[in-house]
Amino acid sequence: NAGVTQTPKFRVLKTGQSMTLLCAQDMNHEYMYWYRQDPGMGLRLIHYSVGEGTTAKGEVPDGYNVSRLKKQNFLLGLESAAPSQTSVYFCASSYPGLTYEQYFGPGTRLTVT
Amino acid sequence: RKEVEQDPGPFNVPEGATVAFNCTYSNSASQSFFWYRQDCRKEPKLLMSVYSSGNEDGRFTAQLNRASQYISLLIRDSKLSDSATYLCVVTSGSSASKIIFGSGTRLSIRP
Repeated sequence: NAGVTQTPKFRVLKTGQSMTLLCAQDMNHEYMYWYRQDPGMGLRLIHYSVGEGTTAKGEVPDGYNVSRLKKQNFLLGLESAAPSQTSVYFCASSYPGLTYEQYFGPGTRLTVT
Repeated sequence: RKEVEQDPGPFNVPEGATVAFNCTYSNSASQSFFWYRQDCRKEPKLLMSVYSSGNEDGRFTAQLNRASQYISLLIRDSKLSDSATYLCVVTSGSSASKIIFGSGTRLSIRP
C-alpha cells in the first residue's frame, strides 16, 4: 500500500517551459488536492477534485491546470512556468467526509530559473 | 491579516522540557481545528484533533479557546524526535476548499 505518490521528486525548469506533475493514490479516496508550500506562507490550495472527472479552483489557481481522468490520479500542469512558481508542491487525498484528514505525498521540489 | 497565524519560531528547548505554542484564527465561524506535524523536507501528517474540551494524546495536549480564537499545543517531556514543524489547521466547513493551513511553528529539541 503505497499511499500517495508523486512524480517527479525534483525538477528544474526554465521560464516558459511546461511540465506535468503526477499524483497517484491507492486508498480509493474520492477527494484529491494540489498545494504549494512556500516559506512563511503555509500550504496554499491550488486546485482540488471531489471525484473522477471533476476539478475546482482553490486559493491560488492562476498559472496551473489540472485533470482527474481516473479516480486514483490527479495531474497538475504548468503551461508556461514562471520563477514565481518555484515552490514545493504537495498532492493530498482524503475521504469526502474527512477532508481534514488528508494524506500527503512526499512532495515535488520545483525550481524555475 | 492572515486567517490563521502561528509564531514561526524556532522554539529551541532542551530534551525533557515542556513546550507550548499557540495558533490564532480570524474567522469566528471556524468549526474544526487540528494540528499537523511536518518533519524537515517531508510531507505533513495529521497529529491530532482539537476539541473544545481539550484533547490529550500521550505527551501531547491540544486545547481550543473559542472566545479568544486560538488553539494551543502543549508537549510534555519533549523528545529529540519531537523536532519538527507543527502546522495549525482550521476548517470552516466540510468543503475541500474550507481548510486553512497555518505556516507552522518550528520546534527544535536539543540533547
